[in-house]
Amino acid sequence: GNSVTQMEGPVTLSEEAFLTINCTYTATGYPSLFWYVQYPGEGLQLLLKATKADDKGSNKGFEATYRKETTSFHLEKGSVQVSDSAVYFCALLRGGGNKLTFGTGTQLKVEL
Amino acid sequence: SAVISQKPSRDICQRGTSLTIQCQVDSQVTMMFWYRQQPGQSLTLIATANQGSEATYESGFVIDKFPISRPNLTFSTLTVSNMSPEDSSIYLCSSKGQGNEQFFGPGTRLTVL
Repeated sequence: GNSVTQMEGPVTLSEEAFLTINCTYTATGYPSLFWYVQYPGEGLQLLLKATKADDKGSNKGFEATYRKETTSFHLEKGSVQVSDSAVYFCALLRGGGNKLTFGTGTQLKVEL
Repeated sequence: SAVISQKPSRDICQRGTSLTIQCQVDSQVTMMFWYRQQPGQSLTLIATANQGSEATYESGFVIDKFPISRPNLTFSTLTVSNMSPEDSSIYLCSSKGQGNEQFFGPGTRLTVL
């Protein structure tokens, strides 16, 4: 079946540090891949997506590249801010399906 | 992207009672979804709500416990029936966008005593 594995958190960084949150997946066919962000006390917001191999999704300084050869979709940001503190979820959608499969989430804490 | 609202935003309920959560989308959408996020956990799909037909439930979720209505293309409700403390979770609805992405509401935080 489909599954998503994320690096465990919490990840604690200083402001302006480089961020990588690892995400790997297992899926049949050609899934679409997503990163969602959940700020404290709020629902999920779509951060970025990629629908085919080698696509790069980007938004608000975050980016992730769909790597089919390594079945990965790692989230990166060059310089994090305190306001980026949140829980980040990697998710996949099987081609032709409607059910999102989520990873366990990675909590990011950015300190001054 | 669709704007989704949910009511109530939070509630504290007694064991054995039921709570109905409302989800409103600002545009007509074919598919709406209900998810559960247990404390410190990821999201799990409960069911898919289609207008004009019965909801489709995922393994482990049944209609008697989580009845769903979908009276039109902008609205859905989820009822959590005969609640127990194990039902304490955040319940989120989502709708499918123009592509294949899903947009989420702010969630309903339920605590069952």
